[in-house]
Amino acid sequence: EAGVVQSPRYKIIEKKQPVAFWCNPISGHNTLYWYRQNLGQGPELLIRYENEEAVDDSQLPKDRFSAERLKGVDSTLKIQPAELGDSAVYLCASSFPSRELFFGEGSRLTVL
Amino acid sequence: KNEVEQSPQNLTAQEGEFITINCSYSVGISALHWLQQHPGGGIVSLFMLSSGKKKHGRLIATINIQEKHSSLHITASHPRDSAVYICAVRRGAGNQFYFGTGTSLTVIP
Repeated sequence: EAGVVQSPRYKIIEKKQPVAFWCNPISGHNTLYWYRQNLGQGPELLIRYENEEAVDDSQLPKDRFSAERLKGVDSTLKIQPAELGDSAVYLCASSFPSRELFFGEGSRLTVL
Repeated sequence: KNEVEQSPQNLTAQEGEFITINCSYSVGISALHWLQQHPGGGIVSLFMLSSGKKKHGRLIATINIQEKHSSLHITASHPRDSAVYICAVRRGAGNQFYFGTGTSLTVIP
C-alpha cells in the first residue's frame, strides 16, 4: 500500500515568491492534516480536513497561506508571498478516524 | 504551556543501554501515539495506546491514564535507534492531535 506522498521534497525560493506543496494521502483516509515543523520542534497544525471540508484552520496564517482539498483526496498548500520565517518542513499526514497517523516525507522549504 | 511535555529533551546512551523517554499530558485523550523521526526523514508511527502496554521488538510503550503519563522504553539500544521520538495525543473523539517537542536520542557504538 502506498504511503502519504508529498512533493516537492525540497524547495528553495527567494522571499516574496510563491510556493505550493502537494499531498496525496493514503487511499480512503478521510482526514488530512498539514503541519509545519521547525528545527527541534514538534509539528504544528496548519489545517485539518475531514473529506473536503476544512474543519480546523485556526492556526493557518490566512493572509499568505491557503489550502484546498478538491474532491476530498489530494491537497495543496500554498504560500504567497513567502517570508524568511516560513522556512520549515511542511508535513502532510492522513488517518482514518481514531486510527494511526501516517506522515509523508515532508517538503523542506528554504526562503532566502 | 504545552499540552504535551516530554523528557528528556536530549539523551545520549551507549549501545546496549536501556532507554526510557517520558511523556506527560494535561488534556483528556482518546489515544496516545509514539512517533519516530530519523534525521532528514519522515515521521513513522511506532505505537498507538489507549491503555496498558504494547511491545514491538525492542520497543515497549506504557500508559497510565489516571496519571496522564506514558513512557517509551528501548531495550538493548542500537545506533540505528538514534532519532527524535515524539509523543502525540489524540484529543477526545475527534481527530485533533497535540504534539510534544520530541526527545532527541543518540546511541553511541
